[in-house]
Amino acid sequence: SAVISQKPSRDICQRGTSLTIQCQVDSQVTMMFWYRQQPGQSLTLIATANQGSEATYESGFVIDKFPISRPNLTFSTLTVSNLSPEDSSIYLCSVETLETQYFGPGTRLLVL
Amino acid sequence: DAKTTQPPSMDCAEGRAANLPCNHSTISGNEYVYWYRQIHSQGPQYIIHGLKNNETNEMASLIITEDRKSSTLILPHATLRDTAVYYCIVRVVGYGGATNKLIFGTGTLLAVQP
Repeated sequence: SAVISQKPSRDICQRGTSLTIQCQVDSQVTMMFWYRQQPGQSLTLIATANQGSEATYESGFVIDKFPISRPNLTFSTLTVSNLSPEDSSIYLCSVETLETQYFGPGTRLLVL
Repeated sequence: DAKTTQPPSMDCAEGRAANLPCNHSTISGNEYVYWYRQIHSQGPQYIIHGLKNNETNEMASLIITEDRKSSTLILPHATLRDTAVYYCIVRVVGYGGATNKLIFGTGTLLAVQP
């Protein structure tokens, strides 16, 4: 398995600002993923972030709104830009290792 | 869209076995069945996965029908801490971005009753 931490665990932000979420894993992994979970909903994949290449975004998500960095094999950041109340969600990162994805604890974002 | 169908909710008495069904009638030959659970407001927790044989680990057992069109996750002795949303997901296991996506459906809310 993999141990994943995220920072911050929660935040309250004003509309129009941005929030950068950090994801740290305790081992080197090639594949990392970012998900969003809106209130009362299931998880939706935002993008796949492989080290050394540009992130691949799912339909409905764009790089200008959700820029991602993947500087090495243990770390990634997701920025949620130009925040609006509709961005209030839990944001989760996950990693793939040995045929299985493991998830971080999530970052709870409330936009006022 | 999710390729699985699960009942929206189930109840189970504490100490009894919880049997959670999942239908995946369109599963392909190279797709695995994965189970995750999400306890309120936490990140999803991996439980178990399998291709065609039954699997068991310290958390649960996974029973896959011979035609692979459905499966059952069994929690042998449910406790109150097993109350969670359980997700059944099918996906190809490989190397590369697109094939490793997990597509979450709405899952089954299991409520373990004292």
